[in-house]
Amino acid sequence: GQNIDQPTEMTATEGAIVQINCTYQTSGFNGLFWYQQHAGEAPTFLSYNVLDGLEEKGRFSSFLSRSKGYSYLLLKELQMKDSASYLCAVIDSNYQLIWGAGTKLIIKP
Amino acid sequence: DGGITQSPKYLFRKEGQNVTLSCEQNLNHDAMYWYRQDPGQGLRLIYYSQIVNDFQKGDIAEGYSVSREKKESFPLTVTSAQKNPTAFYLCASTLAGESYNEQFFGPGTRLTVL
Repeated sequence: GQNIDQPTEMTATEGAIVQINCTYQTSGFNGLFWYQQHAGEAPTFLSYNVLDGLEEKGRFSSFLSRSKGYSYLLLKELQMKDSASYLCAVIDSNYQLIWGAGTKLIIKP
Repeated sequence: DGGITQSPKYLFRKEGQNVTLSCEQNLNHDAMYWYRQDPGQGLRLIYYSQIVNDFQKGDIAEGYSVSREKKESFPLTVTSAQKNPTAFYLCASTLAGESYNEQFFGPGTRLTVL
């Protein structure tokens, strides 16, 4: 079966750095997305990785290792507005998106 | 402004009634999707459509139906056959093509069946 694992919940302090991990076992791999979702709202796109390595975009960076079936989202200089769920999604060999359950990130002052 | 609209944002229905959720996009996207989201779970694909007048079942299509008569519109009907319809429903769209494009989401409809 296809599976994507993320921690259910994480807590971090305003101004700090947090890393949210995602491991996947899917039938094929054609890319990985990270989305941010505030409570009761739609997910919004953060990043897309298809090659190994680190993609940096402002305070957010995303890393991919295809050989390890592993990705992480790194959030720097945390702000209160970063409190949200972060969803990892993998494109499988049929070009279907497989979604993780999301990681709820709680930011404390 | 271009985007995806879903209406209504909150919807209440009595058990046994069919209900239709609206999804409209003016992004000129070819593909449209319906997802269901339950607390503590990832998005689960109900139906998707890559072209007008064609659609495919996703992982949890039972108890749902869709139509795609226009490129801009992809309504979802939750029928009385759906055993547990209370959930947050998200519509998304994307450009079709060889390279995979990000999905854009509507604001969602929270359906509560009483």
